[in-house]
Amino acid sequence: DADVTQTPRNRITKTGKRIMLECSQTKGHDRMYWYRQDPGLGLRLIYYSFDVKDINKGEISDGYSVSRQAQAKFSLSLESAIPNQTALYFCATSDLPTSGGGVDTQYFGPGTRLTVL
Amino acid sequence: GESVGLHLPTLSVQEGDNSIINCAYSNSASDYFIWYKQESGKGPQFIIDIRSNMDKRQGQRVTVLLNKTVKHLSLQIAATQPGDSAVYFCAEPSRGSYIPTFGRGTSLIVHP
Repeated sequence: DADVTQTPRNRITKTGKRIMLECSQTKGHDRMYWYRQDPGLGLRLIYYSFDVKDINKGEISDGYSVSRQAQAKFSLSLESAIPNQTALYFCATSDLPTSGGGVDTQYFGPGTRLTVL
Repeated sequence: GESVGLHLPTLSVQEGDNSIINCAYSNSASDYFIWYKQESGKGPQFIIDIRSNMDKRQGQRVTVLLNKTVKHLSLQIAATQPGDSAVYFCAEPSRGSYIPTFGRGTSLIVHP
């Protein structure tokens, strides 16, 4: 979805390096999310933010940090990368749930494939 | 999180056949469900949703069925095409939140 962009699309790094993955959106949504996807597993939530001043840990936040620089920008950092953080990372956005809707409809970026050697 | 094997459930069909992808959900109080499609090299995309006060909802070539008694969703794709090849995820709200919890996904392979 061109409305949600992620950079870089691919990254290979070494153990111990600091890595930042960036996400930008033009959808005007307040809510942004970072997910991790591993082969054979579903999407697992790392962090989420409901507005610029709001940051929340997800299911697997250990080893990660985030920064919400603006409504449109949400970055994910690996302070000291380790091999088991090798995965596909997705950023997503959502608007407030519509009336009667009980789950956020999310719009995903194209993903960043991260390899930690 | 759930510990599962590395291989997704896979459904292989011939072009033109109908496909049925199943999903079991965990929370009987879930009131809304979404199906996403993830093509190779792309992020998941919304396909169709259904509220818990409905048993069936139809879209273009897709139908979602909800059986609340056994906590089961299915996604039916009519006249499956090669472009339907993808991984399909169902999602339900996390307990006490609007944030979705995603299933493992099912890989649909359509043979021409």
